[in-house]
Amino acid sequence: TQLLEQSPQFLSIQEGENLTVYCNSSSVFSSLQWYRQEPGEGPVLLVTVVTGGEVKKLKRLTFQFGDARKDSSLHITAAQPGDTGLYLCAGMGAGSYQLTFGKGTKLSVIP
Amino acid sequence: GAGVSQTPSNKVTEKGKYVELRCDPISGHTALYWYRQSLGQGPEFLIYFQGTGAADDSGLPNDRFFAVRPEGSVSTLKIQRTERGDSAVYLCASSSHSRGLAGDEQYFGPGTRLTVT
Repeated sequence: TQLLEQSPQFLSIQEGENLTVYCNSSSVFSSLQWYRQEPGEGPVLLVTVVTGGEVKKLKRLTFQFGDARKDSSLHITAAQPGDTGLYLCAGMGAGSYQLTFGKGTKLSVIP
Repeated sequence: GAGVSQTPSNKVTEKGKYVELRCDPISGHTALYWYRQSLGQGPEFLIYFQGTGAADDSGLPNDRFFAVRPEGSVSTLKIQRTERGDSAVYLCASSSHSRGLAGDEQYFGPGTRLTVT
């Protein structure tokens, strides 16, 4: 069974601060996706990373896939209240279309 | 429609009853997935359809759970003899499989919140 551990589980920061969320596993994934979920809604896809060492940027968000494709990080620069939400990482194993999700990081950005 | 839609948005049922949850995927998406999300957890995979057939049903917890996709578009998740432990948000996702296994992107609907009393 593939498991994804996310940390921290909860994060409360002031507007303008930087933060990093981590997603770790002992398993290798063929790709990894980051989602953001608001209360009462489904997860919204932010980015997909496929290649080990890959870095992708989405405005103030920077996503990195580990060289060994077992871990990933999400860094947010100058967080804003609109960034508040549940951030989920999800990995896809080799030969499978199943996504294995972490438990998520609940981020609160205080104005 | 522009995105994945799911109905109903909320369903309250009594223990032992039968329920059906519906998913309408993004038009043209051949792949459809069902996931279940319990409170404080990430979504858990249930079943995946490629076209009309269930390509992977390894996540279905037991034989009370069944899903169909008879025409390769809309799917229905069916739960028999519901139990309180079935209470969760049931999420549906769809994908075009345009990127193959490397980087397949799944787009989620808003979910159906099922409460079994």
